[in-house]
Amino acid sequence: GIQVEQSPPDLILQEGANSTLRCNFSDSVNNLQWFHQNPWGQLINLFYIPSGTKQNGRLSATTVATERYSLLYISSSQTTDSGVYFCAVERGGGADGLTFGKGTHLIIQP
Amino acid sequence: DVKVTQSSRYLVKRTGEKVFLECVQDMDHENMFWYRQDPGLGLRLIYFSYDVKMKEKGDIPEGYSVSREKKERFSLILESASTNQTSMYLCATVSGDRYYGYTFGSGTRLTVV
Repeated sequence: GIQVEQSPPDLILQEGANSTLRCNFSDSVNNLQWFHQNPWGQLINLFYIPSGTKQNGRLSATTVATERYSLLYISSSQTTDSGVYFCAVERGGGADGLTFGKGTHLIIQP
Repeated sequence: DVKVTQSSRYLVKRTGEKVFLECVQDMDHENMFWYRQDPGLGLRLIYFSYDVKMKEKGDIPEGYSVSREKKERFSLILESASTNQTSMYLCATVSGDRYYGYTFGSGTRLTVV
């Protein structure tokens, strides 16, 4: 099956810092999403971004499908940004579900 | 926005019990999924369904079954709960055209004692 690798696995930053999270995938995909898992376990959809660039406030994401990677940028980090960020992909051809990376555990210190 | 509701936030069951986890979505989506999440193993797909009464096995279906009698509801069934099924269970839905991507419920933390 498709492999999804996220880096770094852990990241500790001071409040106000910027960060870049990376997601590499091993095959072509029709769907790529970034999620933030909150402390209660819910997965919050940040971006649906199979290709191109999107921005939402302090967060933005870029997917370069031809080179099989995606980047999530967080600017001016806040303590509420802490948590685990997941990249997940889906190959085309039907509803076969998302394949998740292992996640990046982000800690923003005040 | 799509809303996915899981019936219980926390659940404690005894070994050998039959356990039902319920998931309801409000957007008339064709596709629904059940995942489990474990430390060190990440999120793994258990079962999914692309239509009423249809089901497909995911990566780890052993010990589980599912039921989809109505489009909005997808149930995960643990026929005889075991301690190794203690986990976080997450339900998800997506439309056929993937327009908004996948939406997840808030999860059910199941403990089997």
